[in-house]
Amino acid sequence: QKEVEQDPGPLSVPEGAIVSLNCTYSNSAFQYFMWYRQYSRKGPELLMYTYSSGNKEDGRFTAQVDKSSKYISLFIRDSQPSDSATYLCAMSEGFQKLVFGTGTRLLVSP
Amino acid sequence: DAGVIQSPRHEVTEMGQEVTLRCKPISGHDYLFWYRQTMMRGLELLIYFNNNVPIDDSGMPEDRFSAKMPNASFSTLKIQPSEPRDSAVYFCASSARPLKSTSTDTQYFGPGTRLTVL
Repeated sequence: QKEVEQDPGPLSVPEGAIVSLNCTYSNSAFQYFMWYRQYSRKGPELLMYTYSSGNKEDGRFTAQVDKSSKYISLFIRDSQPSDSATYLCAMSEGFQKLVFGTGTRLLVSP
Repeated sequence: DAGVIQSPRHEVTEMGQEVTLRCKPISGHDYLFWYRQTMMRGLELLIYFNNNVPIDDSGMPEDRFSAKMPNASFSTLKIQPSEPRDSAVYFCASSARPLKSTSTDTQYFGPGTRLTVL
């Protein structure tokens, strides 16, 4: 079993839809939880991060962490075609050593 | 800043050949990471350096892989001899240590090197 599990998709939604992306993990020592966005043929870029449990909102994006269930989510409101990318969850016990999910490919159609 | 620079962007080689991938981190960053990305296994950390010193190489698949960081502005990942199963996109990333323990270090990724071993 992988340390971090993520549905590869693809997830196809119409423009304006609310998108929910999720990851589960097995290591209870993880404290830092991140979402990276990766456009085709590009390197990943940090979208949001959360320390420990709770919610964090940034514009149209909301990240949630439920450590009791070992489950993290990223919500995208009013999705746009420019949000079409692969979304990678990542997590770590401390600094630096990130463990990534395999990524969920999101397609937002106009 | 130009961001993390990687070269070459694409590399096609034959099995058994030596491959060298290069990385220039963002100036002032003291951490450097090498990752490998494949469809099956996703993004995997191979090795990371702090202040040019290798800290954790537990992700390096086998002795055919080696990485060096001779100075703060340059690192190499070498595969010798290369095999078809090494075909992947290799990313270099760099970061600076965060000031607070509750903050994370944003890792800035380069554009990657797409390696194909025939």
